[in-house]
Amino acid sequence: GENVEQHPSTLSVQEGDSAVIKCTYSDSASNYFPWYKQELGKRPQLIIDIRSNVGEKKDQRIAVTLNKTAKHFSLHITETQPEDSAVYFCAASGAGGGNKLTFGTGTQLKVEL
Amino acid sequence: DGGITQSPKYLFRKEGQNVTLSCEQNLNHDAMYWYRQDPGQGLRLIYYSQIVNDFQKGDIAEGYSVSREKKESFPLTVTSAQKNPTAFYLCASSINLNTEAFFGQGTRLTVV
Repeated sequence: GENVEQHPSTLSVQEGDSAVIKCTYSDSASNYFPWYKQELGKRPQLIIDIRSNVGEKKDQRIAVTLNKTAKHFSLHITETQPEDSAVYFCAASGAGGGNKLTFGTGTQLKVEL
Repeated sequence: DGGITQSPKYLFRKEGQNVTLSCEQNLNHDAMYWYRQDPGQGLRLIYYSQIVNDFQKGDIAEGYSVSREKKESFPLTVTSAQKNPTAFYLCASSINLNTEAFFGQGTRLTVV
């Protein structure tokens, strides 16, 4: 089945700096890669996703890049703000492994003033 | 108000007792999932269902059971066979398996 690895597990940045979170996946048949944000005590919510026919996708301060050859994808947050502090999860799904969403272990992002 | 609802938010049970967690959605989604969240381990898939009357084991199905008799409902039973049941349980649904998943607010189960 699919295996998703996520790094780093914790990330601390200064307000205004950029943050990058990286994930690798094992199943080359995976074709859908969402990113979720989970604030303390709340449910995970989708912030951006990308499909394998696209190399990059951007939504305001958030961008995701995908390298199918290397089987890795990354979340980029620019001009970080305190409200960006949360746990971020990457995930992958596709034709392999029954299409089920497999999540990474999460990254605790802390944006310091 | 549309969405996915889990109940209760907090649940306490004695060791050796089975307990059922509720998950209901009114989004008309075909796919539903149960995840377990433990600190530092991300979201681990327990069971998932692509369509009513069908479900498959996820990565950590041992000690759990589910049913999908109605499209809107996907209850999870934590049995006494689950060795470490204390955790935060999240239910999710999506149009199909390869689209955005919407999560419920979670149930925190504590077994004493």
